Amino acid sequence: DSGVTQTPKHLITATGQRVTLRCSPRSGDLSVYWYQQSLDQGLQFLIQYYNGEERAKGNILERFSAQQFPDLHSELNLSSLELGDSALYFCASSVAPRQAMNTEAFFGQGTRLTVV
Amino acid sequence: DAKTTQPNSMESNEEEPVHLPCNHSTISGTDYIHWYRQLPSQGPEYVIHGLTSNVNNRMASLAIAEDRKSSTLILHRATLRDAAVYYCILNNNAGNMLTFGGGTRLMVKP
Repeated sequence: DSGVTQTPKHLITATGQRVTLRCSPRSGDLSVYWYQQSLDQGLQFLIQYYNGEERAKGNILERFSAQQFPDLHSELNLSSLELGDSALYFCASSVAPRQAMNTEAFFGQGTRLTVV
Repeated sequence: DAKTTQPNSMESNEEEPVHLPCNHSTISGTDYIHWYRQLPSQGPEYVIHGLTSNVNNRMASLAIAEDRKSSTLILHRATLRDAAVYYCILNNNAGNMLTFGGGTRLMVKP
């Protein structure tokens, strides 16, 4: 158990709809990262928040947005969903503002989104 | 960004050592080398990281070449549970996120 909690585990929705994925980081971790993993793209970084502020953006579509709340949990909002948005969405947390340096990141179990 | 090259797949027998190679010829002096693995249907899991010296922890060992242009993750006794995709990752220059490549799919035979 990494200590990172993602809900829901599975989500099935129709095209054009909007969904919200939730992530609770490990206790004490201030950084939250969102990744998308699809079969043909591998793990793609979407966005990072550190202590409530957006820190870095990756290949995140304009239809997607995220935020981190004062209690440090984060939500990823996906709107106007398309079939191609079907993927696993992972949240990771770390104590440091920079994930890739001398600290490890802890990943949740992911949310499997299926758009039909 | 510095890039890593890993074999697409490797096979190992259970209870034998496994050496997973990674080439990173464009690594910069301040890049840390991280290894993560992803078991089937799970999120990535941290394995080990290092800068210049070899590193050991309860999961694995990391051997880093003297010129730092390559590294090897060593699993001392593979178990069936070690079957996973192993990712070798370098510090992104922006330092904000882990950039995952294709990784090596390790298959462990009983």
